[in-house]
Amino acid sequence: RKEVEQDPGPFNVPEGATVAFNCTYSNSASQSFFWYRQDCRKEPKLLMSVYSSGNEDGRFTAQLNRASQYISLLIRDSKLSDSATYLCVVRAGSYQLTFGKGTKLSVIP
Amino acid sequence: GAVVSQHPSRVICKSGTSVKIECRSLDFQATTMFWYRQFPKKSLMLMATSNEGSKATYEQGVEKDKFLINHASLTLSTLTVTSAHPEDSSFYICSAGKWTSGRSYGVEQFFGPGTRLTVL
Repeated sequence: RKEVEQDPGPFNVPEGATVAFNCTYSNSASQSFFWYRQDCRKEPKLLMSVYSSGNEDGRFTAQLNRASQYISLLIRDSKLSDSATYLCVVRAGSYQLTFGKGTKLSVIP
Repeated sequence: GAVVSQHPSRVICKSGTSVKIECRSLDFQATTMFWYRQFPKKSLMLMATSNEGSKATYEQGVEKDKFLINHASLTLSTLTVTSAHPEDSSFYICSAGKWTSGRSYGVEQFFGPGTRLTVL
């Protein structure tokens, strides 16, 4: 079983749509959780951390369910500029990150 | 801020040559730097963790004699791909670690822009 699993997509959605990404992780010792965004041929960039209470940043909402070892990201009112690959990332211990394979999103005009 | 640079951004070389990639943290000191590799349509895979002034810790399956890592200062780590072969062609990304005391307590990693290596 892969350590961090994501639906690879691609997700093709029209502008303005709401899209949800799911992620599961296998290491129950994982302590910190993140969503990164990676544009084609670029480095990953931190989108947001994910907390047990759930957190929101503008159009982006992240949820964490530790019991189910499940993380989600919801994007509302999709923009063309949201097109990218979204990486689910977990950290066990203080520094080592484990990346999911990513879910590709294409927002279509 | 936390800016990390990587050089070169792109390199094309012949099989058998060695390639050195530099990773610099420009506005902070990074006691720990990380080297990743990403093949097309695959996830980032950690190759090694590098601590300033000590030997790097390599992940299982990564040959330490092939991928030489030097972390001589708090702002510079280098990865040398020795005797590169076509199967080493990949996107190599470094990150520099900075301790954060926020809700996600631990080392936050800031990524360099990556180096695309093509071995002919």
